Amino acid sequence: DTGVSQDPRHKITKRGQNVTFRCDPISEHNRLYWYRQTLGQGPEFLTYFQNEAQLEKSRLLSDRFSAERPKGSFSTLEIQRTEQGDSAMYLCASSGGGNEQFFGPGTRLTVL
Amino acid sequence: GENVEQHPSTLSVQEGDSAVIKCTYSDSASNYFPWYKQELGKRPQLIIDIRSNVGEKKDQRIAVTLNKTAKHFSLHITETQPEDSAVYFCAAKETTSGTYKYIFGTGTRLKVLA
Repeated sequence: DTGVSQDPRHKITKRGQNVTFRCDPISEHNRLYWYRQTLGQGPEFLTYFQNEAQLEKSRLLSDRFSAERPKGSFSTLEIQRTEQGDSAMYLCASSGGGNEQFFGPGTRLTVL
Repeated sequence: GENVEQHPSTLSVQEGDSAVIKCTYSDSASNYFPWYKQELGKRPQLIIDIRSNVGEKKDQRIAVTLNKTAKHFSLHITETQPEDSAVYFCAAKETTSGTYKYIFGTGTRLKVLA
């Protein structure tokens, strides 16, 4: 499968724990996006990388969230001290410079 | 920043009928409008898109129309089939921030009744 992949697909954690998700974009795609999707809503932008540079973070993203893309390939999204409100589907998308963004299958986070 | 509104939130049609989903956007600088289909538990998949220099685009049973003056665009599905049942999201590509992120609508759950 040469599409965008995400790991893990599901994560259940207890409130206060830290979690980390990984996204592998389509090879050679220089743009990478993280979105969050809650039930009944459209994906909501979190952050954007062009190569290894993080160029924008949503104002909705608290300081507990951090993302990296150290070599301009895969990216990680970490949530520290998780809260129940963090429960959502976390989607990664990549783009090769054209308009279309290709989405991964998402990581579903449940915070108990 | 950009804001996208989508209507209706749910839509039920009989198999073979047409379905229309409408979206409005706020930023006149937006120049690209994709439509995604998301089946339960699956990733959003692009089904059609339109650029701001085009008024209409068609791909088999699916078409999208864009009215730049009114800042709205619509998805049209003709001869609907049960496999068209899914949640559909419209989006607008925000250009002002330079990140080209998408701003999504809240989705339309389409049910095609056999």
